[in-house]
Amino acid sequence: DGGITQSPKYLFRKEGQNVTLSCEQNLNHDAMYWYRQDPGQGLRLIYYSQIVNDFQKGDIAEGYSVSREKKESFPLTVTSAQKNPTAFYLCASSIGVYGEKLFFGSGTQLSVL
Amino acid sequence: AQKITQTQPGMFVQEKEAVTLDCTYDTSDPSYGLFWYKQPSSGEMIFLIYQGSYDQQNATEGRYSLNFQKARKSANLVISASQLGDSAMYFCAMRVDDYKLSFGAGTTVTVRA
Repeated sequence: DGGITQSPKYLFRKEGQNVTLSCEQNLNHDAMYWYRQDPGQGLRLIYYSQIVNDFQKGDIAEGYSVSREKKESFPLTVTSAQKNPTAFYLCASSIGVYGEKLFFGSGTQLSVL
Repeated sequence: AQKITQTQPGMFVQEKEAVTLDCTYDTSDPSYGLFWYKQPSSGEMIFLIYQGSYDQQNATEGRYSLNFQKARKSANLVISASQLGDSAMYFCAMRVDDYKLSFGAGTTVTVRA
């Protein structure tokens, strides 16, 4: 079945540590996105990528980094510069920049130890 | 800047009854798309329904319908014949730029037997 796989489901970060969240899709979608969800709030865009080897900052990119070396993969690194990383992170993809619908993964809950 | 407002943090509905979830939006762009997503406790975002700003008819998808009032800038979701499985968080979202979805804060729906 086609879809988006996020791993791990739960992740813990120590102070000063970088952690990487995985996102893989087999939908052959061009565009991929990372969103952050805090309790009581909607989703906020961190980064997005329209094509391999290219990505753009979203609304809250500070303290995060991404790469897009393969069409299927769009990992997100939460760096030590992100002072409040505890949140639910959702990866999504769409057919293209002009795609009308986003498909989402099941999310990763990141917590700070 | 674009903004999505969902004023109902939580709602209760009796099984088999209809429920309306409010969503208002603000944009000066004449071309935009409006989406509703469902987020069950598992965390995954599930696409429900889409309405384009130039669509003449209100969108419908099974038990979901979108009450689109363009002049009022509202895009309310109506769920008919509620089922226990409809208990979830519901998000309204808007796409103005080609790539970005902006989300509201969400409404929690609890269906009572």
